Amino acid sequence: SQQGEEDPQALSIQEGENATMNCSYKTSINNLQWYRQNSGRGLVHLILIRSNEREKHSGRLRVTLDTSKKSSSLLITASRAADTASYFCATDDRMDSSYKLIFGSGTRLLVRP
Amino acid sequence: EAQVTQNPRYLITVTGKKLTVTCSQNMNHEYMSWYRQDPGLGLRQIYYSMNVEVTDKGDVPEGYKVSRKEKRNFPLILESPSPNQTSLYFCASSDRGDQPQHFGDGTRLSIL
Repeated sequence: SQQGEEDPQALSIQEGENATMNCSYKTSINNLQWYRQNSGRGLVHLILIRSNEREKHSGRLRVTLDTSKKSSSLLITASRAADTASYFCATDDRMDSSYKLIFGSGTRLLVRP
Repeated sequence: EAQVTQNPRYLITVTGKKLTVTCSQNMNHEYMSWYRQDPGLGLRQIYYSMNVEVTDKGDVPEGYKVSRKEKRNFPLILESPSPNQTSLYFCASSDRGDQPQHFGDGTRLSIL
């Protein structure tokens, strides 16, 4: 079942610009995570934001969470060509005792040099 | 170095020939899981394990088996592979299912 849905599905920007990706989910959550995947490689964890947090920063990454709207956004500032990758949000389900994560289908980001 | 190791990385095989994809982690994680990734469908969980000898079905378990006899290993078994199991497979581990996951580099399976 799809929990997180990213928007847009694809994004193309110029190096130096900011990139914003959005994620919507359906259930009550404990936390929301963002991952990055370079082509054909495994996912790499970027950042985790808890349900009682509204904003979190890590380097050039800024994540916001609005639990009332069941949505999150990932902002990458001053993008670089090396940021080209797919980005996924993942959420748990607070009512599910297995604590498993459900991933969205991702946003493909292309940063043009 | 902390890592999740999957083998093989690539495999082309034929329908019905049993295969096993191994997964090993060196981080002493309790939780391990298998995902498949297909275009447009994101990552879907196949099976997960919360601890040794404890496994449970994910969202798409049909046609797969797993075992967790040791904490570090979590092999994925396809007893009778079929073409609809052609996919990119990832193993992941973590302290708990809702915590940051460490992923392997993936296994690309093609079943003819």
